[in-house]
Amino acid sequence: GQSLEQPSEVTAVEGAIVQINCTYQTSGFYGLSWYQQHDGGAPTFLSYNGLDGLEETGRFSSFLSRSDSYGYLLLQELQMKDSASYFCAVRDKGTGANNLFFGTGTRLTVIP
Amino acid sequence: DVKVTQSSRYLVKRTGEKVFLECVQDMDHENMFWYRQDPGLGLRLIYFSYDVKMKEKGDIPEGYSVSREKKERFSLILESASTNQTSMYLCASSLSGYPSYNEQFFGPGTRLTVL
Repeated sequence: GQSLEQPSEVTAVEGAIVQINCTYQTSGFYGLSWYQQHDGGAPTFLSYNGLDGLEETGRFSSFLSRSDSYGYLLLQELQMKDSASYFCAVRDKGTGANNLFFGTGTRLTVIP
Repeated sequence: DVKVTQSSRYLVKRTGEKVFLECVQDMDHENMFWYRQDPGLGLRLIYFSYDVKMKEKGDIPEGYSVSREKKERFSLILESASTNQTSMYLCASSLSGYPSYNEQFFGPGTRLTVL
């Protein structure tokens, strides 16, 4: 089977940097995606890493190490509006179709 | 602006009722998905479709069925609603092909309560 592990909760101070980790176990790895979901809102796509290394998009960066089966989402200059749940996701195994398997999410709380 | 819409934001049904949840996307996406989201369990895939009239079971298909008669529309059907199907239901769509399928676009969700 496949599994994704991420911390259930993280708390960080406004203006600080926070890292949300995701370790995965899957057959046929095709890359790691990250989604953000605010309370009461829909998940929205943040980033995708298909190759090892760091991808940067503004204050958010995502990192992948395929040899370690590990990735992380890095949020810099935290703002109160970054309080949300963050999900990592991998392409689901074996079906040949384009569906994703999501982790259970990390709830980030930004405090003043 | 890309859009995925769902027929209801909130729905209350009785046990045993047949329930229809509708999802429409205007992006000409090949793939469409139905998830349910429960606290602590993340997003769990119920069914998905990669083409008109095509459907595939996800991780938790029991008690559900789907219909995709047109490319833009994907319906989730609860044949006989039960209280354990009380949940938030999210529809999503995506393009096919690498890497586009990694970006799914989600609707606002339907919070279904089964009494």
